[in-house]
Amino acid sequence: EPEVTQTPSHQVTQMGQEVILRCVPISNHLYFYWYRQILGQKVEFLVSFYNNEISEKSEIFDDQFSVERPDGSNFTLKIRSTKLEDSAMYFCASSGNLSNEKLFFGSGTQLSVL
Amino acid sequence: SQQGEEDPQALSIQEGENATMNCSYKTSINNLQWYRQNSGRGLVHLILIRSNEREKHSGRLRVTLDTSKKSSSLLITASRAADTASYFCATANTGTASKLTFGTGTRLQVTL
Repeated sequence: EPEVTQTPSHQVTQMGQEVILRCVPISNHLYFYWYRQILGQKVEFLVSFYNNEISEKSEIFDDQFSVERPDGSNFTLKIRSTKLEDSAMYFCASSGNLSNEKLFFGSGTQLSVL
Repeated sequence: SQQGEEDPQALSIQEGENATMNCSYKTSINNLQWYRQNSGRGLVHLILIRSNEREKHSGRLRVTLDTSKKSSSLLITASRAADTASYFCATANTGTASKLTFGTGTRLQVTL
């Protein structure tokens, strides 16, 4: 069965450093998402991406965050200057030809900012 | 309470019993979905119910939706140890194009 893959599974970084989280969505999907889950808290929406542009973003997704689909397969989340409070599990997801229906999630990248 | 509150927060049952989880939400929705998350893993889509539907079945899963009460329930019948996981409801709210709002989750423990 097709799946969303994320790398790395764990990322440790120093505060103020840039990180790039990588995702390979399911190949024929059209909608791509990033969500995050701080330990013990809800899964929170960050951003959705369709047709090579951001279609929706949350208040969390400020100027420190950016997304890119550099080629036909990868989807990346960049945090420009990490803060301690960015520590979380970051999930990439994709869905087919309908947005916000039946998302397929990756296993996540656990980001620890020290 | 916040959008997407599940109750109970934790549920422990024995294999073979039924498990019922509830979700309440605050705003108008287009659809409501249930996801499962095994510890340390990503979320897996279980079932979607649209705002004009009242009940849906998929295998051992039964979902109901009451838009007048802004609530949904997920019933897992004849539970198995492998059903042990956290279960989340997620709403696609009216007026949002692609965002899902997740609830707080119910941790289900099924023991042998």
